[in-house]
Amino acid sequence: DAGVIQSPRHEVTEMGQEVTLRCKPISGHDYLFWYRQTMMRGLELLIYFNNNVPIDDSGMPEDRFSAKMPNASFSTLKIQPSEPRDSAVYFCASSSTPTGSQPQHFGDGTRLSIL
Amino acid sequence: SQQGEEDPQALSIQEGENATMNCSYKTSINNLQWYRQNSGRGLVHLILIRSNEREKHSGRLRVTLDTSKKSSSLLITASRAADTASYFCATDRPSGNTPLVFGKGTRLSVIA
Repeated sequence: DAGVIQSPRHEVTEMGQEVTLRCKPISGHDYLFWYRQTMMRGLELLIYFNNNVPIDDSGMPEDRFSAKMPNASFSTLKIQPSEPRDSAVYFCASSSTPTGSQPQHFGDGTRLSIL
Repeated sequence: SQQGEEDPQALSIQEGENATMNCSYKTSINNLQWYRQNSGRGLVHLILIRSNEREKHSGRLRVTLDTSKKSSSLLITASRAADTASYFCATDRPSGNTPLVFGKGTRLSVIA
């Protein structure tokens, strides 16, 4: 079975540009999570969805960040306008539960560099 | 706020030695998980241990949980160069239908 698929793997863009990150979760997983990983702050949960509905977006750092899940097999994370401090690795994960009772399955991430 | 903290932050050992990493957390949990992250890749789930369990094994991995001390340890026996990675613990928050919270990880280097 295919795992969680993220695209692009790498993105380099200039400050002020719109950035769109994409994720395809594992089929049958009802929960999708977006994380940001940096050396300073570790792995931070940005937002998670249940059955395509955003449940908790308290981790989204600013209004410049938005996430959507138009259907069960696709989600996007957008940053507009992007800033250098947004440079990080962004991960998408999916699971059958939001809690720790089942594993989360991670994609290989998008390494984002904002110049 | 961060729930789990791994210790040490970095660990370097020789191939064949055992590696022990620790995770401490602040509040009660239902479940604790360990993940591995190879350089440039996503996190991969290793072991899940529930609050009513004390020890679990998976191949060369052994995880213990001490809820009275609010701590867990991950032991990798007979380490190999391929075990070089970062290792993270993740815990439930104490109540509600809320997601895992991840620690900052231990960077393990196994030298051949």
